[in-house]
Amino acid sequence: EVQLVESGGGLVKPGGSLRLSCAVSGFRFSSFSMHWVRQAPGKGLEWVSYINSRSDDIYYGDSVKGRFTVSRDNAQNSLSLQMNSLRDEDTAIYYCARERASNWFDPWGQGTLVIVSS
Amino acid sequence: QSALTQPASVSGSPGQSITISCTGTSSDIGSYNYVSWYQQLPGKAPKVMIYEVSNRPSGVPARFSGSKSGNTASLTISGLQAEDEADYYCSSYTTTSTLAVFGGGTKVTVL
Repeated sequence: EVQLVESGGGLVKPGGSLRLSCAVSGFRFSSFSMHWVRQAPGKGLEWVSYINSRSDDIYYGDSVKGRFTVSRDNAQNSLSLQMNSLRDEDTAIYYCARERASNWFDPWGQGTLVIVSS
Repeated sequence: QSALTQPASVSGSPGQSITISCTGTSSDIGSYNYVSWYQQLPGKAPKVMIYEVSNRPSGVPARFSGSKSGNTASLTISGLQAEDEADYYCSSYTTTSTLAVFGGGTKVTVL
């Protein structure tokens, strides 16, 4: 069974840092590109970041560019999102998702909640 | 403001058909057949319902269908059922500085 499990969320003060992880199983992780997508409380989905299978093609949403860094460890079947200089508006559930061909996401993890508040 | 525009809500009675629109630009929907649709039940992660404009993944009921015309994509639910009550999001590949964009979401209510 394909599974994605996020962890690392929590409460952090504005300006602080947090590192999210996404542990995957049930498929050949090294063959797939991955995405991070977030959802603020009561709001819609916002695409955050993309990393290809070899980590040599990376993209970020405009709202996180320069503050967030995506990485992966294919040997450990793990995806990460390093979040620095966090702001109140970064408060959201963060989902990792596997990319299937042509930019669609399946499956998604259950999400991890990040709260940025003083 | 989301990059793709969806109606905030759509409703219908059981058995009826409803259509959710998703309007983008020539940088996304208008130039690529990389539109996907996601269903999100309350408290759950999104689930893909349609990919590449009109393809249904295995396990998604045939009453869900997708189409595209110009810069607008559409998701149609035929024979609406109570279990279809959820939020629905469209997504598209984009050639802007980002890589993917979502619509603001549409809440489907079954009357």
